[in-house]
Amino acid sequence: DVVMTQSPLSLPVTLGQPASISCTSTQSLVHSDGNTYLNWFQQRPGQSPRRLIYKVSNRDSGVPDRFSGSGSGTDFTLKISRVEAEDVGVYYCMQGTHWPPITFGQGTRLEIK
Amino acid sequence: EVQLVESGGGLVQPGGSLRLSCAASGFTFSNYWMHWVRQAPGKGLVWVSRINSDGSSTSYADSVKGRFTISRDNAKNTLYLQMNSLRAEDTAVYYCARQSSAAPDYWGQGTLVTVSS
Repeated sequence: DVVMTQSPLSLPVTLGQPASISCTSTQSLVHSDGNTYLNWFQQRPGQSPRRLIYKVSNRDSGVPDRFSGSGSGTDFTLKISRVEAEDVGVYYCMQGTHWPPITFGQGTRLEIK
Repeated sequence: EVQLVESGGGLVQPGGSLRLSCAASGFTFSNYWMHWVRQAPGKGLVWVSRINSDGSSTSYADSVKGRFTISRDNAKNTLYLQMNSLRAEDTAVYYCARQSSAAPDYWGQGTLVTVSS
């Protein structure tokens, strides 16, 4: 199984400042079809997960443009350009290239400093 | 508006069974693959199972293989998860999720399954 490793696991950020979360996979996430199926999810306290980014860098509908995804191969990053209070929660990366099983990272808890 | 509403969770003894349901609306259910993902209390997300759009192909996590069965009724716009031989470690919130661009996009609110004597 592909193991997804996120860092940091805890991320205190000052409002208005940028934030960055790293996600590394144990295998390249480039699929034989040429796509890279790396996704990012946000889970606010008490809520269901919400997908933010699919295929590395594509924002889902309604996702603010302060969220961006980048990376290739085995190394990926989620960036928030200016953190807002509503961004508090846990962020997960997820690979859908080598499955079953789909695998998630451990989660990164973003809090306001 | 896409809506996924899970039901069927509850308290069950070890070794018991439960069937979860997920009622879908706001999209053409029969066109989409669907997933079950679970989250133990205070823990991260763990994929459980997925089914293709017509129900002819299924996959499972090793931890539930042989005990859980995913199915769907496209006429009723409903996804199911039959859970047998339940263990304490199956205690979690179970989410159903629609697949789009090869990953879950919309998620339900979840239903809590507690396995305890």
